[in-house]
Amino acid sequence: EDQVTQSPEALRLQEGESSSLNCSYTVSGLRGLFWYRQDPGKGPEFLFTLYSAGEEKEKERLKATLTKKESFLHITAPKPEDSATYLCAVQRNYGGSQGNLIFGKGTKLSVKP
Amino acid sequence: NAGVTQTPKFQVLKTGQSMTLQCAQDMNHNSMYWYRQDPGMGLRLIYYSASEGTTDKGEVPNGYNVSRLNKREFSLRLESAAPSQTSVYFCASSDRVQNNYGYTFGSGTRLTVV
Repeated sequence: EDQVTQSPEALRLQEGESSSLNCSYTVSGLRGLFWYRQDPGKGPEFLFTLYSAGEEKEKERLKATLTKKESFLHITAPKPEDSATYLCAVQRNYGGSQGNLIFGKGTKLSVKP
Repeated sequence: NAGVTQTPKFQVLKTGQSMTLQCAQDMNHNSMYWYRQDPGMGLRLIYYSASEGTTDKGEVPNGYNVSRLNKREFSLRLESAAPSQTSVYFCASSDRVQNNYGYTFGSGTRLTVV
């Protein structure tokens, strides 16, 4: 069965303390892996798309990487404004309903000043 | 530059009442989706519409109906609300061909059924 597992469920960091969030996936034929940020009371907001193993994308303090089995979201020197829930989703390389995104349950990140 | 617009933002219903959640997108996307998000469960797909004129069931369709009114609008109807339908509902859209940005989400409707 195709699935996406994110860990940890929650992560508390001090400002400036770098860390990584994990997204492991099992899917038969990966078309793309997506990272989203979700703030309380809002909808998920797109961050990155990764398509192949070895690919990396960066945006400010965030860097996403992809292997054949998992993706990491590295947060370097986080600030309190990085506090949010980070969602990972995969898209299978099929048409029809098989092409819909499968979401993980998210990692809730809290960054204390 | 609105993206995906959902109405209403908040709603309280009594058990057995009906209501329609509205969603509209202005990005000329072909595909639209309805999700519900519950604590500890993540985002679960209720229904989706791959293109105008088509709708299909997702993971949790029971108790819901949808209408793809035109390319811009995709509504979700609860015919007889139940407490188990208390949730936050998100509408999303995507360009199923390009799909470089995954889905664009609305800001959500927080529904409470008492």
